[in-house]
Amino acid sequence: SQTIHQWPATLVQPVGSPLSLECTVEGTSNPNLYWYRQAAGRGLQLLFYSVGIGQISSEVPQNLSASRPQDRQFILSSKKLLLSDSGFYLCAWTYGAGVAYEQYFGPGTRLTVT
Amino acid sequence: KQEVTQIPAALSVPEGENLVLNCSFTDSAIYNLQWFRQDPGKGLTSLLLIQSSQREQTSGRLNASLDKSSGRSTLYIAASQPGDSATYLCAVAPYTGGGNKLTFGTGTQLKVEL
Repeated sequence: SQTIHQWPATLVQPVGSPLSLECTVEGTSNPNLYWYRQAAGRGLQLLFYSVGIGQISSEVPQNLSASRPQDRQFILSSKKLLLSDSGFYLCAWTYGAGVAYEQYFGPGTRLTVT
Repeated sequence: KQEVTQIPAALSVPEGENLVLNCSFTDSAIYNLQWFRQDPGKGLTSLLLIQSSQREQTSGRLNASLDKSSGRSTLYIAASQPGDSATYLCAVAPYTGGGNKLTFGTGTQLKVEL
Protein backbone atom coordinates (compact mmCIF):
# COMPACT_ATOMS: atom_id res chain seq x y z
CA SER A 1 0.00 0.00 0.00
CA GLN A 2 1.02 3.60 -0.46
CA THR A 3 2.10 5.90 2.37
CA ILE A 4 2.92 9.57 2.39
CA HIS A 5 5.17 11.13 5.03
CA GLN A 6 5.81 14.75 5.96
CA TRP A 7 8.28 16.24 8.40
CA PRO A 8 8.60 17.98 10.60
CA ALA A 9 5.10 17.88 12.07
CA THR A 10 5.44 21.32 13.63
CA LEU A 11 7.92 24.12 13.19
CA VAL A 12 8.40 27.55 14.76
CA GLN A 13 10.79 29.78 12.85
CA PRO A 14 11.76 33.47 13.14
CA VAL A 15 11.15 35.89 10.29
CA GLY A 16 14.05 35.88 7.84
CA SER A 17 15.16 32.33 8.59
CA PRO A 18 15.32 29.58 5.92
CA LEU A 19 12.80 26.78 5.56
CA SER A 20 12.90 23.21 4.34
CA LEU A 21 9.88 20.89 4.50
CA GLU A 22 10.10 17.37 3.19
CA CYS A 23 7.53 14.99 1.76
CA THR A 24 8.11 11.41 0.68
CA VAL A 25 5.81 8.80 -0.81
CA GLU A 26 6.24 5.05 -0.45
CA GLY A 27 4.70 2.22 -2.42
CA THR A 28 4.30 3.83 -5.82
CA SER A 29 6.45 5.18 -8.61
CA ASN A 30 6.30 8.31 -10.76
CA PRO A 31 3.52 9.96 -8.77
CA ASN A 32 2.29 13.50 -9.29
CA LEU A 33 3.21 15.49 -6.18
CA TYR A 34 1.62 18.63 -4.75
CA TRP A 35 2.25 21.24 -2.05
CA TYR A 36 -0.77 23.05 -0.59
CA ARG A 37 -1.03 25.69 2.11
CA GLN A 38 -3.98 26.13 4.42
CA ALA A 39 -3.91 29.50 6.17
CA ALA A 40 -6.12 30.26 9.15
CA GLY A 41 -9.68 30.93 8.01
CA ARG A 42 -8.87 30.25 4.38
CA GLY A 43 -9.19 27.30 2.05
CA LEU A 44 -6.44 25.13 0.66
CA GLN A 45 -4.26 26.87 -1.87
CA LEU A 46 -2.18 24.92 -4.36
CA LEU A 47 1.42 26.18 -4.26
CA PHE A 48 3.41 23.79 -6.47
CA TYR A 49 2.95 20.56 -8.33
CA SER A 50 5.32 18.17 -10.05
CA VAL A 51 4.72 15.50 -12.67
CA GLY A 52 8.28 14.17 -12.60
CA ILE A 53 11.83 14.57 -11.28
CA GLY A 54 13.01 18.14 -11.73
CA GLN A 55 9.63 19.25 -13.16
CA ILE A 56 8.06 21.90 -10.96
CA SER A 57 5.09 24.14 -11.73
CA SER A 58 4.38 27.13 -9.55
CA GLU A 59 0.81 28.22 -9.05
CA VAL A 60 1.22 31.31 -6.92
CA PRO A 61 4.03 33.91 -6.94
CA GLN A 62 5.50 33.85 -3.47
CA ASN A 63 8.44 33.58 -1.19
CA LEU A 64 8.63 29.81 -1.57
CA SER A 65 10.20 27.32 -3.96
CA ALA A 66 9.91 23.58 -4.50
CA SER A 67 12.23 20.86 -5.72
CA ARG A 68 11.90 17.20 -6.59
CA PRO A 69 15.35 15.64 -6.35
CA GLN A 70 14.06 12.05 -6.42
CA ASP A 71 10.99 10.36 -7.86
CA ARG A 72 9.14 10.16 -4.54
CA GLN A 73 10.61 13.14 -2.70
CA PHE A 74 9.21 16.65 -2.77
CA ILE A 75 10.78 19.54 -0.88
CA LEU A 76 9.36 22.98 -0.07
CA SER A 77 11.90 25.70 0.69
CA SER A 78 12.35 29.33 1.45
CA LYS A 79 15.49 31.41 1.80
CA LYS A 80 13.86 34.00 4.09
CA LEU A 81 10.53 33.41 5.80
CA LEU A 82 7.85 36.06 6.10
CA LEU A 83 5.12 36.28 8.73
CA SER A 84 2.60 35.58 5.96
CA ASP A 85 4.23 32.18 5.35
CA SER A 86 2.64 30.84 8.54
CA GLY A 87 0.11 28.10 7.92
CA PHE A 88 -0.54 24.40 7.61
CA TYR A 89 1.41 22.86 4.72
CA LEU A 90 0.08 19.73 3.13
CA CYS A 91 1.75 17.44 0.63
CA ALA A 92 -0.35 15.23 -1.63
CA TRP A 93 0.18 12.63 -4.33
CA THR A 94 -1.79 11.02 -7.09
CA TYR A 95 -1.08 8.50 -9.81
CA GLY A 96 0.40 10.17 -12.84
CA ALA A 97 -0.16 9.13 -16.45
CA GLY A 98 -2.28 12.20 -17.24
CA VAL A 99 -5.48 10.87 -15.71
CA ALA A 100 -7.22 12.68 -12.86
CA TYR A 101 -7.07 10.12 -10.09
CA GLU A 102 -7.87 10.47 -6.41
CA GLN A 103 -5.47 12.66 -4.41
CA TYR A 104 -4.04 11.45 -1.13
CA PHE A 105 -2.74 13.78 1.52
CA GLY A 106 0.00 13.62 4.11
CA PRO A 107 -0.39 14.54 7.80
CA GLY A 108 0.79 18.12 7.28
CA THR A 109 3.34 20.49 8.82
CA ARG A 110 2.20 23.34 11.05
CA LEU A 111 4.53 26.31 10.43
CA THR A 112 4.49 29.34 12.69
CA VAL A 113 6.68 32.27 11.72
CA THR A 114 7.39 34.60 14.64
CA LYS B 1 -11.24 30.89 -12.94
CA GLN B 2 -12.92 28.03 -11.08
CA GLU B 3 -14.59 28.96 -7.79
CA VAL B 4 -15.93 26.39 -5.35
CA THR B 5 -18.43 27.28 -2.65
CA GLN B 6 -19.65 25.18 0.25
CA ILE B 7 -22.81 25.88 2.18
CA PRO B 8 -23.35 25.93 5.08
CA ALA B 9 -20.02 26.95 6.57
CA ALA B 10 -20.95 25.23 9.82
CA LEU B 11 -23.61 22.76 10.85
CA SER B 12 -24.61 21.22 14.17
CA VAL B 13 -26.96 18.24 14.28
CA PRO B 14 -28.09 15.68 16.87
CA GLU B 15 -26.78 12.15 16.60
CA GLY B 16 -28.76 9.91 14.26
CA GLU B 17 -29.89 12.66 11.92
CA ASN B 18 -29.43 12.39 8.17
CA LEU B 19 -27.75 15.43 6.67
CA VAL B 20 -26.70 16.97 3.37
CA LEU B 21 -23.64 19.08 2.65
CA ASN B 22 -23.60 21.22 -0.47
CA CYS B 23 -20.84 22.11 -2.91
CA SER B 24 -21.17 24.32 -5.97
CA PHE B 25 -18.64 25.21 -8.66
CA THR B 26 -18.68 27.86 -11.36
CA ASP B 27 -16.99 26.04 -14.28
CA SER B 28 -18.70 22.82 -15.30
CA ALA B 29 -15.67 21.65 -17.33
CA ILE B 30 -14.44 19.33 -14.60
CA TYR B 31 -12.80 15.91 -14.77
CA ASN B 32 -13.89 14.80 -11.34
CA LEU B 33 -15.01 15.99 -7.92
CA GLN B 34 -13.59 14.71 -4.67
CA TRP B 35 -14.95 14.92 -1.12
CA PHE B 36 -12.53 14.99 1.80
CA ARG B 37 -12.73 14.97 5.55
CA GLN B 38 -10.32 16.94 7.76
CA ASP B 39 -10.05 16.46 11.50
CA PRO B 40 -8.59 19.36 13.54
CA GLY B 41 -4.85 19.70 12.99
CA LYS B 42 -4.74 16.75 10.62
CA GLY B 43 -4.33 16.12 6.93
CA LEU B 44 -7.17 15.37 4.52
CA THR B 45 -8.79 11.97 4.20
CA SER B 46 -10.36 11.16 0.86
CA LEU B 47 -13.98 10.05 1.18
CA LEU B 48 -15.38 9.77 -2.33
CA LEU B 49 -14.33 10.55 -5.89
CA ILE B 50 -16.96 11.11 -8.58
CA GLN B 51 -15.87 11.13 -12.19
CA SER B 52 -17.57 13.71 -14.42
CA SER B 53 -19.44 10.93 -16.24
CA GLN B 54 -20.94 9.61 -13.01
CA ARG B 55 -24.04 10.79 -11.15
CA GLU B 56 -23.24 9.40 -7.72
CA GLN B 57 -20.90 7.34 -5.57
CA THR B 58 -21.54 5.53 -2.33
CA SER B 59 -19.31 4.40 0.50
CA GLY B 60 -20.96 3.05 3.62
CA ARG B 61 -23.16 5.76 5.11
CA LEU B 62 -21.90 8.33 2.62
CA ASN B 63 -23.45 9.11 -0.74
CA ALA B 64 -22.15 11.81 -3.04
CA SER B 65 -24.03 13.06 -6.08
CA LEU B 66 -22.88 15.19 -8.98
CA ASP B 67 -24.87 17.39 -11.36
CA LYS B 68 -22.16 18.75 -13.60
CA SER B 69 -24.42 20.84 -15.79
CA SER B 70 -25.73 22.82 -12.84
CA GLY B 71 -22.36 22.92 -11.07
CA ARG B 72 -23.52 21.15 -7.91
CA SER B 73 -22.57 18.23 -5.72
CA THR B 74 -24.04 17.01 -2.47
CA LEU B 75 -22.64 14.75 0.23
CA TYR B 76 -25.33 12.84 2.08
CA ILE B 77 -24.45 11.37 5.47
CA ALA B 78 -26.92 8.88 6.87
CA ALA B 79 -27.48 8.25 10.56
CA SER B 80 -24.83 10.71 11.69
CA GLN B 81 -22.53 9.82 14.60
CA PRO B 82 -20.32 11.95 16.88
CA GLY B 83 -17.31 10.47 15.08
CA ASP B 84 -18.50 12.18 11.90
CA SER B 85 -17.64 15.55 13.45
CA ALA B 86 -15.01 17.15 11.21
CA THR B 87 -14.63 19.65 8.40
CA TYR B 88 -15.77 18.39 5.02
CA LEU B 89 -14.15 19.75 1.89
CA CYS B 90 -15.03 19.33 -1.75
CA ALA B 91 -12.57 19.85 -4.58
CA VAL B 92 -12.79 19.79 -8.37
CA ALA B 93 -10.20 18.77 -10.93
CA PRO B 94 -10.21 20.62 -14.27
CA TYR B 95 -11.06 18.81 -17.48
CA THR B 96 -8.29 20.43 -19.44
CA GLY B 97 -4.65 20.95 -18.59
CA GLY B 98 -2.22 18.64 -16.93
CA GLY B 99 -1.36 18.03 -13.34
CA ASN B 100 -4.78 17.22 -11.84
CA LYS B 101 -4.77 20.52 -9.95
CA LEU B 102 -7.59 20.64 -7.43
CA THR B 103 -9.59 23.73 -6.54
CA PHE B 104 -11.01 23.46 -3.04
CA GLY B 105 -14.04 24.90 -1.33
CA THR B 106 -13.64 26.46 2.12
CA GLY B 107 -15.41 23.57 3.80
CA THR B 108 -18.36 22.80 6.05
CA GLN B 109 -17.57 22.30 9.72
CA LEU B 110 -19.86 19.58 11.03
CA LYS B 111 -20.57 18.85 14.67
CA VAL B 112 -22.68 15.85 15.61
CA GLU B 113 -23.90 16.07 19.18
CA LEU B 114 -24.90 13.29 21.54
